[in-house]
Amino acid sequence: AQTVTQSQPEMSVQEAETVTLSCTYDTSESDYYLFWYKQPPSRQMILVIRQEAYKQQNATENRFSVNFQKAAKSFSLKISDSQLGDAAMYFCAYYINAGNMLTFGGGTRLMVKP
Amino acid sequence: DADVTQTPRNRITKTGKRIMLECSQTKGHDRMYWYRQDPGLGLRLIYYSFDVKDINKGEISDGYSVSRQAQAKFSLSLESAIPNQTALYFCATSLGGGASYEQYFGPGTRLTVT
Repeated sequence: AQTVTQSQPEMSVQEAETVTLSCTYDTSESDYYLFWYKQPPSRQMILVIRQEAYKQQNATENRFSVNFQKAAKSFSLKISDSQLGDAAMYFCAYYINAGNMLTFGGGTRLMVKP
Repeated sequence: DADVTQTPRNRITKTGKRIMLECSQTKGHDRMYWYRQDPGLGLRLIYYSFDVKDINKGEISDGYSVSRQAQAKFSLSLESAIPNQTALYFCATSLGGGASYEQYFGPGTRLTVT
């Protein structure tokens, strides 16, 4: 059963505006990492941002930031100043060290309107 | 040149045929992975290998087999292809275990079984 849930199959945003993609996950482990990957039409999987579960501070990478709510098991991605090149599928994933594998959500397709 | 390559990029085959997907990497990583991507399901792990002599089943290994011919090469075989194996297949590599080591993905192979 899938244990990473992305409840928004599709989202759209106007260029230069901000959008937030949602992700919830379910694990009983305490040692894990969370990721957002981007998949543009080229199919290449690109790591966008990573968050260690033991860190309280939310990760930030340029225009990308996360809102990590550990108790709620929520890990949303905020994209600021959206650009046309941000249009892609976005996948949320977690990695549990004991499990040796990435577990992915079903993805959210982001469209950026000029 | 790409660090992780997959051949073929696209393949159409018939039900019952044997098919091999190949992955090569020049990153010098010990760990290699095969994932399958289906719409709405994200990526799911088929097999992973920590080195040439260490191969492990992932979440969905039934109907698949793998071979780690060398540190740089990891092949995925479908012994008797069936239509529900139609999907996008990704190979990935990582330097080590644990989420602190990023997984690097190949460009994917789109497989269609008719």
